[in-house]
Amino acid sequence: GAGVSQSPSNKVTEKGKDVELRCDPISGHTALYWYRQSLGQGLEFLIYFQGNSAPDKSGLPSDRFSAERTGGSVSTLTIQRTQQEDSAVYLCASSLAVAGSGNTIYFGEGSWLTVV
Amino acid sequence: GESVGLHLPTLSVQEGDNSIINCAYSNSASDYFIWYKQESGKGPQFIIDIRSNMDKRQGQRVTVLLNKTVKHLSLQIAATQPGDSAVYFCAEKRLTGGGNKLTFGTGTQLKVEL
Repeated sequence: GAGVSQSPSNKVTEKGKDVELRCDPISGHTALYWYRQSLGQGLEFLIYFQGNSAPDKSGLPSDRFSAERTGGSVSTLTIQRTQQEDSAVYLCASSLAVAGSGNTIYFGEGSWLTVV
Repeated sequence: GESVGLHLPTLSVQEGDNSIINCAYSNSASDYFIWYKQESGKGPQFIIDIRSNMDKRQGQRVTVLLNKTVKHLSLQIAATQPGDSAVYFCAEKRLTGGGNKLTFGTGTQLKVEL
């Protein structure tokens, strides 16, 4: 597609339920990122995928959070047993990943998650 | 610790005036600095970036200045327009040891007054 596509755009879920958020990166982009943005805050890094390399999971806040990327393209972020503090916008981004180059990272519009 | 931070949370300017948004950083190993614009309800939009071996870069109506001596970054917007109203984030990226990921500051809200 022309840009990074995320779904759902909005999700309201009950505390304790699991949610899955989907990201479809820009075609040809080998790097994919997930960030979280709480209301009025900056972007918090969650996880980074680069090609076939092991993902950088250093930003995942707890073991309730996981992500996978199948076939080097689409990614799913899963939050298990959601808590109210998980309420945030979850932003996906992608970029070309060429070593030594400052490839632009493009963001999607985000998935707004509200845990009630 | 490593961080990228902003001096002011809110900046109000008159339409037509120039805007200057500032950012301080602490990581000397950053390779790139990037400015993003985020409008309400939307994802961040890339504006301009600058490599760490440069001190100035110009785009369309925007200029980014980098002062490595005092670890300071600024975004200048010429002839600010109502459509420039948004939150502006600075971010830094390291190509080695940083995983190509961005570290963001907390953002500055730019309000353009008519």
